[in-house]
Amino acid sequence: GDSVTQMEGPVTLSEEAFLTINCTYTATGYPSLFWYVQYPGEGLQLLLKATKADDKGSNKGFEATYRKETTSFHLEKGSVQVSDSAVYFCALRAYNQGGKLIFGQGTELSVKP
Amino acid sequence: DVKVTQSSRYLVKRTGEKVFLECVQDMDHENMFWYRQDPGLGLRLIYFSYDVKMKEKGDIPEGYSVSREKKERFSLILESASTNQTSMYLCASSLQVNQPQHFGDGTRLSIL
Repeated sequence: GDSVTQMEGPVTLSEEAFLTINCTYTATGYPSLFWYVQYPGEGLQLLLKATKADDKGSNKGFEATYRKETTSFHLEKGSVQVSDSAVYFCALRAYNQGGKLIFGQGTELSVKP
Repeated sequence: DVKVTQSSRYLVKRTGEKVFLECVQDMDHENMFWYRQDPGLGLRLIYFSYDVKMKEKGDIPEGYSVSREKKERFSLILESASTNQTSMYLCASSLQVNQPQHFGDGTRLSIL
């Protein structure tokens, strides 16, 4: 079945460091891909999305490119801040399966001043 | 802004109790979802609903049921709570199936 695999955490970085969180997926057809972020004590918020191959989603300095050839959707940010400390979830919505989302296991990011 | 409200942030219940988790959204969304979140497993879909009185099983429906009598409210029911149902439960809604889902802040449920 469809699945999403993320790099394991926790990831600890210093402020202004470069961030990459790897995400790969397995799906039939043409899924839509998402990154959600969960700040401490809160629910999930949509961070960015991409709906077709080679699309680049971006928001708040974060970017991810839908790579069909490598079935990947890696999250990147050029310079992280302490306020980016959160858990990040990669997810897919499979084609023709309604609104169902399949999530990766989440990657905890901690940014130190 | 879309608001998805879950009735309790923290809940403690005993094994064998019938437990109700309530979720309300204020944006007339068609679709509503219940997930559970466990460390190392991400979020897993329990049940979802496309319309009033309609429900569909997700990936892990065993031990749960749902009710959607009104469009804005989607209830998750643990028929006879067990310790392995201790988890964080998240409700979400979306306007249409191809629109982003909006999440509540979650209910952390402990079954003793």
